[in-house]
Amino acid sequence: DSGVTQTPKHLITATGQRVTLRCSPRSGDLSVYWYQQSLDQGLQFLIQYYNGEERAKGNILERFSAQQFPDLHSELNLSSLELGDSALYFCASSSGEGYNTIYFGEGSWLTVV
Amino acid sequence: QKEVEQDPGPLSVPEGAIVSLNCTYSNSAFQYFMWYRQYSRKGPELLMYTYSSGNKEDGRFTAQVDKSSKYISLFIRDSQPSDSATYLCAMSAIFGNEKLTFGTGTRLTIIP
Repeated sequence: DSGVTQTPKHLITATGQRVTLRCSPRSGDLSVYWYQQSLDQGLQFLIQYYNGEERAKGNILERFSAQQFPDLHSELNLSSLELGDSALYFCASSSGEGYNTIYFGEGSWLTVV
Repeated sequence: QKEVEQDPGPLSVPEGAIVSLNCTYSNSAFQYFMWYRQYSRKGPELLMYTYSSGNKEDGRFTAQVDKSSKYISLFIRDSQPSDSATYLCAMSAIFGNEKLTFGTGTRLTIIP
């Protein structure tokens, strides 16, 4: 158990809908990262937050947004969902800036039908 | 062309064999190289981390980086059934974990 908690574990929704994925980082970790894993694209970095502030942005679509709250939990909002958004979404956390091990949660499986 | 290329496998080897996993990359700015292991239905976990060119050994695992060839490898000695997993290489141009670029992963099965 990495200590990173993600909910929900599985989610099935229809095209055009909006979903929110939630992440609780390891106790004391200030950085939260969101990744998308699909069969054809592999693991893609979406966005990072550090202590409530956006720190780095990857290939995150405009339909997607994220935030980190004062208690350090984070949410990834996915809207106007398309079939191609079906993927495994991982949250990861680390203790701070600079290199240190990042710990991945077990992911949220999103299926768009 | 993807920045990081990794043979997806699957790769099956008998227990006790030496396993070689590889990635090639195109971005010469990459300086930090990592290998992650991902078990089925789990998140990736960091196995090895290396900076720039050279070798690093940790138990049965050895990571090699050849920046001149833009090629990195992970060797697993005395492979065990518990090593069966998907192995992902990852790399970054900057110190820290921002914007890690991952390979697509190689699925490895160790046959008892």
